[in-house]
Amino acid sequence: EAQVTQNPRYLITVTGKKLTVTCSQNMNHEYMSWYRQDPGLGLRQIYYSMNVEVTDKGDVPEGYKVSRKEKRNFPLILESPSPNQTSLYFCASSLKGPYRVYGYTFGSGTRLTVV
Amino acid sequence: SQQGEEDPQALSIQEGENATMNCSYKTSINNLQWYRQNSGRGLVHLILIRSNEREKHSGRLRVTLDTSKKSSSLLITASRAADTASYFCATDASTGGGADGLTFGKGTHLIIQP
Repeated sequence: EAQVTQNPRYLITVTGKKLTVTCSQNMNHEYMSWYRQDPGLGLRQIYYSMNVEVTDKGDVPEGYKVSRKEKRNFPLILESPSPNQTSLYFCASSLKGPYRVYGYTFGSGTRLTVV
Repeated sequence: SQQGEEDPQALSIQEGENATMNCSYKTSINNLQWYRQNSGRGLVHLILIRSNEREKHSGRLRVTLDTSKKSSSLLITASRAADTASYFCATDASTGGGADGLTFGKGTHLIIQP
C-alpha cells in the first residue's frame, strides 16, 4: 500500500531532550515536507526537500533540523525541544512533475507534547 | 504565511443536502488543491485544479476556480455522515526559485447531521 509512515504517533517529552520524528514513504517520491498544525494557525510548513541531499526552510524552521540522506526517509529533528513546539506534526510527500499536477500524500501525524 | 482563507469556518447541514465551501487566496498560483482531514488524522488529497482550469469534478465533488477573483469553491453533493470532517484548500504558488510547497488555509469544519 502506498503510504507515508510517521513514528511515533504520540510523544511526550521534556524540555531540552533531543528527539527525532521519523518519516518514510514507499512511493519513490522526490518531494517531502514537514508541517505543523496548531489551533487557529492551520498548517505551516517547517522544512521541505526537493530530492536527496536537497533541503530548504519553510515558513517556521526555527528549532528544527531535517536531513535527506535517502529518497524514502525525511526525519525531523528537534535538538532542544521547547513547550512552544507542542503541536501536531505531519510529513507529506509528492511527485514533482514539470506542471505541478500532483497532490500530497500525508502521514497520520505525530502529536508531540513538550513539558 | 497564510495564503488561502476558507469560508465559512464551520458548516452544519442535513444529510443529503449539498455543502459548499469557499476559498480565497492572495497571489498567483500554479494549482489549488482541496484536502479533507478527519479529527486529528492525516490530510487526504481530494482534488487538484490547475490555474488554467475553471471546473473539475470527481465523484460527488465539484471544484471551481476563478483566478481573476482569486477564489475557489468546493461543492459536495448529496452529503453523507461520513463527509463530516475539516476541509482545507491549499495553494501551490512555487516559482522554482525560492520557497516551495503548499500553503494551507485554516479550514472549514463540516458537520453532516443524520
